[in-house]
Amino acid sequence: DAGVIQSPRHEVTEMGQEVTLRCKPISGHNSLFWYRQTMMRGLELLIYFNNNVPIDDSGMPEDRFSAKMPNASFSTLKIQPSEPRDSAVYFCASSLQTGTISPLHFGNGTRLTVT
Amino acid sequence: DAKTTQPNSMESNEEEPVHLPCNHSTISGTDYIHWYRQLPSQGPEYVIHGLTSNVNNRMASLAIAEDRKSSTLILHRATLRDAAVYYCIPPLAAGSYQLTFGKGTKLSVIP
Repeated sequence: DAGVIQSPRHEVTEMGQEVTLRCKPISGHNSLFWYRQTMMRGLELLIYFNNNVPIDDSGMPEDRFSAKMPNASFSTLKIQPSEPRDSAVYFCASSLQTGTISPLHFGNGTRLTVT
Repeated sequence: DAKTTQPNSMESNEEEPVHLPCNHSTISGTDYIHWYRQLPSQGPEYVIHGLTSNVNNRMASLAIAEDRKSSTLILHRATLRDAAVYYCIPPLAAGSYQLTFGKGTKLSVIP
C-alpha cells in the first residue's frame, strides 16, 4: 500500500501565478479531503469529495481556490491567482467511508510558498 | 460546537509510559472519540478511536472515563519516534467526516 501520494512536495511561486497541487488517494477509498495547515489557523478542512463528487466545499477560502476529482484515483487543488497569504502546507487525505468509523489516511503534504 | 481541551505540551522520558489527557465534556451519547498524531514534517496519522469502553491497538491504548467526558491516550513505552503533536478530535457520530483539529498536545520525548 503506497499510501496517499501528493505532488509536488514543495512549491515556490510568485504572487499571481497559478498553482496546481495533485493527490492520488489510496486505491479503493471513496472519500477524499483537502486540508490546509498554517501556524495561525492549524489544520482546516477545505473540501470533501465522496465518490468523486464534491460534498462540502464550505472551507474553500474564496473563488481563487478550486478542486476537482475527475476520477477515483486523482484530485487536484488549484489556486489562481496565488497570493502570499496562501502559503501553507496542503494535505490530501482519503478514507473508505462506510457509515461507521473510517480513519483518514493523510499524504505528506505540499509545502506552498508564494512570494 | 463540540470541543476538546488538551494540554499544550507534555514531556516524557524514553521508554516510560505517557498519559495524554483530553476533556470533551460536550460529547453526545453516540459520538466517537478519535485521536490522531502528527510527526514532524508529515501528515496527521490515525492513532485510535473508541466509544465507551477502553480500546487497545498496536500503537496505543485509549482509556475512556465512565461519563465519557474525558479520555486518556496511553503510550505504554514512549520512544523517540513518538515525539509528535497528538490531537484529540472533538467527538463525532459514526459516519461523520468533519474531523476538526485543534492545537493538540506537543509531546517531547527525552532520551
